[in-house]
Amino acid sequence: GENVEQHPSTLSVQEGDSAVIKCTYSDSASNYFPWYKQELGKGPQLIIDIRSNVGEKKDQRIAVTLNKTAKHFSLHITETQPEDSAVYFCAASRSTGANNLFFGTGTRLTVIP
Amino acid sequence: EADIYQTPRYLVIGTGKKITLECSQTMGHDKMYWYQQDPGMELHLIHYSYGVNSTEKGDLSSESTVSRIRTEHFPLTLESARPSHTSQYLCASSDPRTGGIYGYTFGSGTRLTVV
Repeated sequence: GENVEQHPSTLSVQEGDSAVIKCTYSDSASNYFPWYKQELGKGPQLIIDIRSNVGEKKDQRIAVTLNKTAKHFSLHITETQPEDSAVYFCAASRSTGANNLFFGTGTRLTVIP
Repeated sequence: EADIYQTPRYLVIGTGKKITLECSQTMGHDKMYWYQQDPGMELHLIHYSYGVNSTEKGDLSSESTVSRIRTEHFPLTLESARPSHTSQYLCASSDPRTGGIYGYTFGSGTRLTVV
């Protein structure tokens, strides 16, 4: 089955700096890679996703990149703000079969004002 | 605004009690999931369902059981709660007609404490 590894587990940045979270996956058939943000006391919320036919996707201050050859993908947050502080999860899945999402272990991001 | 609802949000219960955690969604999604989230953040899939009358065990063994009698409802039951069941439980749903490519919608979770 799929194995998703996520690094780092904790990340602290100064407000205004950039943050990068990296994930690797094992199943070359995986073709969908979403990112979730979980704020305190809430469930994870989808913030951005990318499919395997695209190398990069951007939405305002967040962007995702995908390297299919190396089987890794990354989340980039620019101009970080205190409200970006949360736990972030990457995930991977196939679009066929059970197509369950396989989640990374999470990154706790703290933005220091 | 999430269209998936979990109740209760918080529950403190004594050892040996039977409990049911409720999860309902209004999106008409066929596929639903239960995750257990430990204090270290990691999400562990414990049950999922493809649709009515379908239930499957997830990657993490769990003493809980689930049922899916209606599309919108996916309750999780612990017959005899133990302190080791103390955790955050998250329910989610997805639309398999999209091949899962639009990801999951999560509820806000139930934080269970067994004393």
